[in-house]
Amino acid sequence: EAGVAQSPRYKIIEKRQSVAFWCNPISGHATLYWYQQILGQGPKLLIQFQNNGVVDDSQLPKDRFSAERLKGVDSTLKIQPAKLEDSAVYLCASSLARDGNEKLFFGSGTQLSVL
Amino acid sequence: GNSVTQMEGPVTLSEEAFLTINCTYTATGYPSLFWYVQYPGEGLQLLLKATKADDKGSNKGFEATYRKETTSFHLEKGSVQVSDSAVYFCALFTGKLIFGQGTTLQVKP
Repeated sequence: EAGVAQSPRYKIIEKRQSVAFWCNPISGHATLYWYQQILGQGPKLLIQFQNNGVVDDSQLPKDRFSAERLKGVDSTLKIQPAKLEDSAVYLCASSLARDGNEKLFFGSGTQLSVL
Repeated sequence: GNSVTQMEGPVTLSEEAFLTINCTYTATGYPSLFWYVQYPGEGLQLLLKATKADDKGSNKGFEATYRKETTSFHLEKGSVQVSDSAVYFCALFTGKLIFGQGTTLQVKP
């Protein structure tokens, strides 16, 4: 079974530039999550999709971050403009159900460095 | 608000030593509790879970018991191996999955 695919693996940008991350969840998984993991901290949920609808985006900094999940499959997360404090690993995860008791499958993440 | 607190790392052990990683939580209601593991260069993986009080989750020799009275979910293993070296995250679910800060385990041969 193919896992959660993310790209790129690494990205280095300067502050005020824009960047986009891509995620392809496991086939058939209705729920997709984007997490931000700052070095030395646990992952923090940014946004949760159920199919192509947003379930929770309460911790997404909407002035600079945006995410979409067209057709309820692939998803992109964008930052525009980036700040130094956005340096982190951005993790995508998917699951069959939205109740959290189902297993979440995580991708390897995109490591973003903002200089 | 809901939160998870884990013991500070890194934890350094010799092979075959006993492992305990402490995890306590604060939550309204009755959350499900999880341990996730992140091996070097890999994504997060679910290690074990417990969905109600007194449940014991177990996998790969690791165990954790859901203790409602002490709001704890400590991770234990009787005999660690070098291959267990990783970062371990405790997490709870009450509508969304909330992670602790992670504990790095280093096992030396």
